[in-house]
Amino acid sequence: DAKTTQPNSMESNEEEPVHLPCNHSTISGTDYIHWYRQLPSQGPEYVIHGLTSNVNNRMASLAIAEDRKSSTLILHRATLRDAAVYYCILRDVGGNKLVFGAGTILRVKS
Amino acid sequence: GAVVSQHPSWVICKSGTSVKIECRSLDFQATTMFWYRQFPKQSLMLMATSNEGSKATYEQGVEKDKFLINHASLTLSTLTVTSAHPEDSSFYICSARGHTGTGDVYTFGSGTRLTVV
Repeated sequence: DAKTTQPNSMESNEEEPVHLPCNHSTISGTDYIHWYRQLPSQGPEYVIHGLTSNVNNRMASLAIAEDRKSSTLILHRATLRDAAVYYCILRDVGGNKLVFGAGTILRVKS
Repeated sequence: GAVVSQHPSWVICKSGTSVKIECRSLDFQATTMFWYRQFPKQSLMLMATSNEGSKATYEQGVEKDKFLINHASLTLSTLTVTSAHPEDSSFYICSARGHTGTGDVYTFGSGTRLTVV
């Protein structure tokens, strides 16, 4: 599985946008980019996923670089409930499993 | 949306006993289910992949005789930790993969906190 690199931690102020980066320089043409987040003592929660084009849903936006070697998860207005570990994961379209890296700990200050 | 129910949410057992954890997909058929283990302040580690009606595929280093996985139906997979020891204490999380009109969905259970005393 291609690897992803994320910052260990980030901090944001409440009500402000947050941009969480992910580098995946070895991504292949058939790899989907998935984002999940995990609150303490809970299972991961789906946030968003995409292949080539930018994606938007009610939770977040995913901006994918033109060369696909990096992507950014955008939370438009951070709330205290968005404090979590955010995981960026690559999955081959023909592949089966999600392999988690270390993720980014997002702290939100009030 | 897709929901995965995991039970129990926590369990304490004595060393040497076995513990069974259930994972159910409530509103979709899960062709494949996954089991993860997570130690404090660490990421999720994939233990095994199970497909309905066939034997599970274990990741390298995971003892298949210790962590028994059964995926008897498209909505239920179980993980049994046999002869549990304190080092097996961990947070166990299941995930189910289902197919929808917009592509594959990976949904996670809420996890099971296992403490072996």
